[in-house]
Amino acid sequence: QVQLQESGPGLVKPSQTLSLTCTVSGDSINSANYYWSWIRHHPGKGLEWIGYIYYSGSTHYNPSLKSRVNISIDTSKSQFSLKLTSLTAADTAMYYCATVDDYGDSVEYWGRGTLVTVPP
Amino acid sequence: SYELGQPSSVSLSPGQTARITCSGDVLAKNYVRWFQQKPGQAPVLVIYKDTKRPPMIPERFSGSTSGTTATLTISGAQVEDEADYFCYSATDNNGGVVFGGGTKLTVL
Repeated sequence: QVQLQESGPGLVKPSQTLSLTCTVSGDSINSANYYWSWIRHHPGKGLEWIGYIYYSGSTHYNPSLKSRVNISIDTSKSQFSLKLTSLTAADTAMYYCATVDDYGDSVEYWGRGTLVTVPP
Repeated sequence: SYELGQPSSVSLSPGQTARITCSGDVLAKNYVRWFQQKPGQAPVLVIYKDTKRPPMIPERFSGSTSGTTATLTISGAQVEDEADYFCYSATDNNGGVVFGGGTKLTVL
C-alpha cells in the first residue's frame, strides 16, 4: 500500500512561488502503476486537479493552471514536487498529493494534505 | 457549479441504506471513483472503476452506474460512516480529473 506525505510552508506571500514536496513510501516511485498527482481543495469550495507526473517524467497539467505549474520527480529521494508561481489569495487551499490518474481502474491513494494560506 | 453533481447532504439512522448520487456527462464514458473523508484525515478511496471495492473497505459499500449517473450505496450505514463523500472521474477536456461538490453523510 502506498503512503504519501506532503510537506511545505503553510503560509506564502502573494506573488511568491509555492513549493510542496510529496514523499512516497510503501511502493517504488519508479513504478509504472501510478501517476503522481497534486490536487487542491479550496475552503468551502470544490476540489481541483492540478496535474500529475509519471515515473518517466512526462507531465500533464490542468489547462487553467498550466502557465503557473511545474511538477517534478526525484526518484533518488522517492519524492515528487509541485511549484506554483504568482500566488494570490485564490490559491489558498488544502493541497493533496495522490496517485490519481485519468483511468480510474485501480486503487488510488491520497496523502493527508497540507494547508497553504496566501493572505490577501 | 461543479462538473459532477452531488446532493449536498444525506441524513439517515444507523442500519438504514444510504444512496449518494453523482451525475455528469463524463460518467457515460469514464470510470467513477468515490472517496470518503473524515475531518483531519486523509481521503480514503471506497470505490473505483465504478463498482470495485479496495481491500479493507467493508462490503456494505458498493457502487453502481447507469448512463450519466453513478450511485454510492452504503447498506446498513454505521455511525462511523459519517463523513464527506466525493465522486470524481476523468474529464473529456484535455485529460485530467473532475470532482463532485461532495455529500455530507450524517448517521444518527
